[in-house]
Amino acid sequence: EVQLVESGGGLVQPGGSLRLSCAASGFTFSNYWVNWVRQPPGRGLVWVSRINTDGSSTTYADSVKGRFTISRDNSKHTLHLHMKSLRADDTAVYYCVTQEAPGRDGYNPFDFWGQGTLVTVSP
Amino acid sequence: DIVMTQSPHSLAVSLGERATINCKSSQNILFSSNNKNYLAWYQQRPGQPPKLLISWASTRESGVPDRFSGSGSATDFTLTISSLQADDVAVYYCQQYYNSPHSFGQGTKLEIK
Repeated sequence: EVQLVESGGGLVQPGGSLRLSCAASGFTFSNYWVNWVRQPPGRGLVWVSRINTDGSSTTYADSVKGRFTISRDNSKHTLHLHMKSLRADDTAVYYCVTQEAPGRDGYNPFDFWGQGTLVTVSP
Repeated sequence: DIVMTQSPHSLAVSLGERATINCKSSQNILFSSNNKNYLAWYQQRPGQPPKLLISWASTRESGVPDRFSGSGSATDFTLTISSLQADDVAVYYCQQYYNSPHSFGQGTKLEIK
């Protein structure tokens, strides 16, 4: 059974830092791209960042570029998101989401989602 | 970036009735070389993470009831629930994965009338 378990969320002051983690099991982690998608309270889904299978390529939403860093450790089946210079509008549930690596047909949909971890940025 | 626009924002339908949710993309997301639409639908039940329902605009994921169907092409897409069940109360999102970033619609909240 595919499992993605996020951790590391919590309350942080504006300007602070936080590191989120996602532990993966039940599938061949190194074959998948992995994304972070966030959802502010009562709002919709917003893609944040993506990393390819071996970690050599990363992409970020403009709103987090330069402040967030995505990384992965395939030997430990884990994904991380290091967040710094946090702002109130970063408050959200952060989901770890898998995406089959692109093939001949290009990109694939987001297939498995973790339960999410809540990040609250407040004084 | 491609902008995805869903309508309506919310919808109330009686049990057993049909529910229809629309999604429009700001650019064509049909890839002509393989005739595939890069459009997914997700269901997010209250307090739960989203779940992939439909990919490639009309392909149901394994285990998704056949009362859910997706249709449309190029820029206009529809998610139809043929006979609404209580279990279908959720927010539904469309997403394009034709281009990066893979943008989502703003969501449609489906409730029981």
